[in-house]
Amino acid sequence: SYELTQPPSVSVSPGQTASITCSGEKLRNKYASWYQQKPGQSPVLVIYQDNRRPSGIPERFSGSNSENTATLTISGTQSMDEADYYCQAWDNSRVFGGGTKLTVL
Amino acid sequence: QLQLQGSGPGLVKPSETLSLTCTVSGGSIRSGPYYWAWIRQSPGKGLEWIGNVFDSGSTYYNPSLKSRVTISIDTSKNQFSLKLSSVTAADTAVYYCVRETWIQLWGYFDPWGQGTLVTVSS
Repeated sequence: SYELTQPPSVSVSPGQTASITCSGEKLRNKYASWYQQKPGQSPVLVIYQDNRRPSGIPERFSGSNSENTATLTISGTQSMDEADYYCQAWDNSRVFGGGTKLTVL
Repeated sequence: QLQLQGSGPGLVKPSETLSLTCTVSGGSIRSGPYYWAWIRQSPGKGLEWIGNVFDSGSTYYNPSLKSRVTISIDTSKNQFSLKLSSVTAADTAVYYCVRETWIQLWGYFDPWGQGTLVTVSS
């Protein structure tokens, strides 16, 4: 079965750029989506179709997808961005990555 | 603004059937190109897609759960439902109902309902 691999944790200083990766075989041939989940809350879509932002999502969130790795980039990271982030793609089924805990410190 | 609200028992006994319903408000469940999905999250763990249903009633299930899952839709009530049979403690999770926008061979999940915690215990 298809797998998406994310680093368990990423740390970033306020105002800096955070990059969260998601690796999967031939991921470039699929569209990746990204979800933000804060403690006790439901996930929220922040990126779809590799690099498109839903309305209401700040411009500091961006995405890319190349070869076997999709990347979520948060520019000028703020404390409110501290959350778990999950990537997702489709390969005969809907697949999620294991999630990355972003710490802003 | 579309909203999804899940409901159902928060406690289910082992070997019994988990049943949840999601009520969609702020829009019609018949509008496309949308699937209506269930996704779960075990305590402290990641997200697992369970399956989905189209307004025609066609369904798609996670192969790992397919033998135990039934998802159905009632367009007259703007609701869709999940049944998971023969539950064990491993099925303890927060269950989310979600709208999936599906475009040929890809899609994304938005918005998500508030989540319903279901505990499997005797």
